[in-house]
Amino acid sequence: DTEVTQTPKHLVMGMTNKKSLKCEQHMGHRAMYWYKQKAKKPPELMFVYSYEKLSINESVPSRFSPECPNSSLLNLHLHALQPEDSALYLCASSQAPRATDEKLFFGSGTQLSVL
Amino acid sequence: AQSVTQLGSHVSVSEGALVLLRCNYSSSVPPYLFWYVQYPNQGLQLLLKYTSAATLVKGINGFEAEFKKSETSFHLTKPSAHMSDAAEYFCAVSYRTGKLIFGQGTTLQVKP
Repeated sequence: DTEVTQTPKHLVMGMTNKKSLKCEQHMGHRAMYWYKQKAKKPPELMFVYSYEKLSINESVPSRFSPECPNSSLLNLHLHALQPEDSALYLCASSQAPRATDEKLFFGSGTQLSVL
Repeated sequence: AQSVTQLGSHVSVSEGALVLLRCNYSSSVPPYLFWYVQYPNQGLQLLLKYTSAATLVKGINGFEAEFKKSETSFHLTKPSAHMSDAAEYFCAVSYRTGKLIFGQGTTLQVKP
């Protein structure tokens, strides 16, 4: 199994809603990532988990709250989002954290619309 | 700071023609470089990576890239374009901290 699975594929939420994005991998990877991608732009790193601990937070607003319950799962909890947060949210994983030549495996993403 | 620049946000080729997507990097030390492809409504998929083992790197789907230190370049090529190659292509460089930084992307259009 070489897949990173993200759910849901599409999400529409209001600015007062609370929702969660989920990501799962069963490749035994020990690093997991959240990226945000606006249309026609490159992915931007948000968070990195290394051995289930948060190792990088790219100064992301607190309305985004990541969680790594175990080595296979990664969540992104959303609360009080703004319309400008609408984007494709990509989860990725890699075998070894902090390995500069590591290949990232990406999920297909969650397309988020904030109304 | 390490960064990558992709020259040309949009490249259009005819089916069967050579594909050339340009990427230049800026780094004070030899970097690790990657090319990723993103098809519509999909995540990113690694095409190939350079990690100093060989300057000419072969990847999936017939793509290859050559690392040229003197030109600080890592251009992606494919001898003959297929319609299925139409996608967004990202060049990326990795930091020692494990952060992967992407270029702005190049949209490849393949005309029949």
